[in-house]
Amino acid sequence: NAGVTQTPKFRVLKTGQSMTLLCAQDMNHEYMYWYRQDPGMGLRLIHYSVGEGTTAKGEVPDGYNVSRLKKQNFLLGLESAAPSQTSVYFCASTPVTSGIVDTQYFGPGTRLTVL
Amino acid sequence: SQQGEEDPQALSIQEGENATMNCSYKTSINNLQWYRQNSGRGLVHLILIRSNEREKHSGRLRVTLDTSKKSSSLLITASRAADTASYFCATDLYGNNRLAFGKGNQVVVIP
Repeated sequence: NAGVTQTPKFRVLKTGQSMTLLCAQDMNHEYMYWYRQDPGMGLRLIHYSVGEGTTAKGEVPDGYNVSRLKKQNFLLGLESAAPSQTSVYFCASTPVTSGIVDTQYFGPGTRLTVL
Repeated sequence: SQQGEEDPQALSIQEGENATMNCSYKTSINNLQWYRQNSGRGLVHLILIRSNEREKHSGRLRVTLDTSKKSSSLLITASRAADTASYFCATDLYGNNRLAFGKGNQVVVIP
């Protein structure tokens, strides 16, 4: 199993450009999450999904959109990038066993710089 | 807002010593988790303790949970250089396993 993979690993954007970050998991997990991590900070939840075709806002959703058309993929879009979105982005997934959610499995991260 | 808050924020110890980190939280939880992050990498789950548990062990790790004080501690025994990392506590704050992470505790183990 590859686990959770993220594409790309690094990206530099100019203000106003758009891009999509791809997260893929091959563990058949139901729930998926997008976080951002800024220096000296813990992770903050951007959006999450509890199943294919469903998404919901997290703590810091402004400026981002997401889609989960397939169970294994969770896409994070930036429509008009701003320097404040310079961050490291992590995707995570978690199984639901007997109705109980559990450990989150994280991808390696995408380092995004917006100039 | 950050639910979990680790204390102390940075810790430097000699190899072989024990490292203890604390985490406090503000509201009722279903479970509390600890994660490790090596520099430039993703987070790796270490241990999960549920609200009805008081102590849990995994290898050289020991986690305690005191729900009356809304606090948890992570103990790493006989530390190794490979334990150098940032350690985060996270609580299941809002349901759907939406985790609220603390700011992290940087541990440096000196060989």
